[in-house]
Amino acid sequence: SQKIEQNSEALNIQEGKTATLTCNYTNYSPAYLQWYRQDPGRGPVFLLLIRENEKEKRKERLKVTFDTTLKQSLFHITASQPADSATYLCALALTGGFKTIFGAGTRLFVKA
Amino acid sequence: NAGVTQTPKFRILKIGQSMTLQCAQDMNHNYMYWYRQDPGMGLKLIYYSVGAGITDKGEVPNGYNVSRSTTEDFPLRLELAAPSQTSVYFCASSWDSVSYEQYFGPGTRLTVT
Repeated sequence: SQKIEQNSEALNIQEGKTATLTCNYTNYSPAYLQWYRQDPGRGPVFLLLIRENEKEKRKERLKVTFDTTLKQSLFHITASQPADSATYLCALALTGGFKTIFGAGTRLFVKA
Repeated sequence: NAGVTQTPKFRILKIGQSMTLQCAQDMNHNYMYWYRQDPGMGLKLIYYSVGAGITDKGEVPNGYNVSRSTTEDFPLRLELAAPSQTSVYFCASSWDSVSYEQYFGPGTRLTVT
């Protein structure tokens, strides 16, 4: 069956450390993978998009990797800050389609 | 730009009632989407539209209907509300297909009792 999985347990880290979130998928062939941030009571906000032929993408303190062999994406926040505390969603955009499949998200808490 | 706007923010419905969730975007985006988000679950696609007059079902369309008469507006209609439709509903839009990021509205929290 098709699945997209993110760690359901919250990730707690200390300010200044690097947060690493994982997104695994099975039986999908994504053309793109996206990461979104969602704060409580708000809609998701787009952060980064990486294409299937890209290994890594960076934007300021954010880095995303995409391994289509392992069927996994890693999302890193370096020098994390309490303001980075939120839920992070990964989303698969499927080849030839109009649909994006979202994971359930991982809650990140950054402690000062 | 207001981006994507949704009304109402909150609503309580009785079982069997109907309502329309409003969604509008001012970015001239072709693609619009309706999702529902249940606690601990990913966003589930209800319906989407690739342009005015064109709509299609997503993953969980039962109990819902949509229309897209203009580029800007994409209302979601709930007929005969059921407790299973208690959820947070998000509307989103994007410039083009899956290669572009989606812009989300603030959501509508709906409770059916």
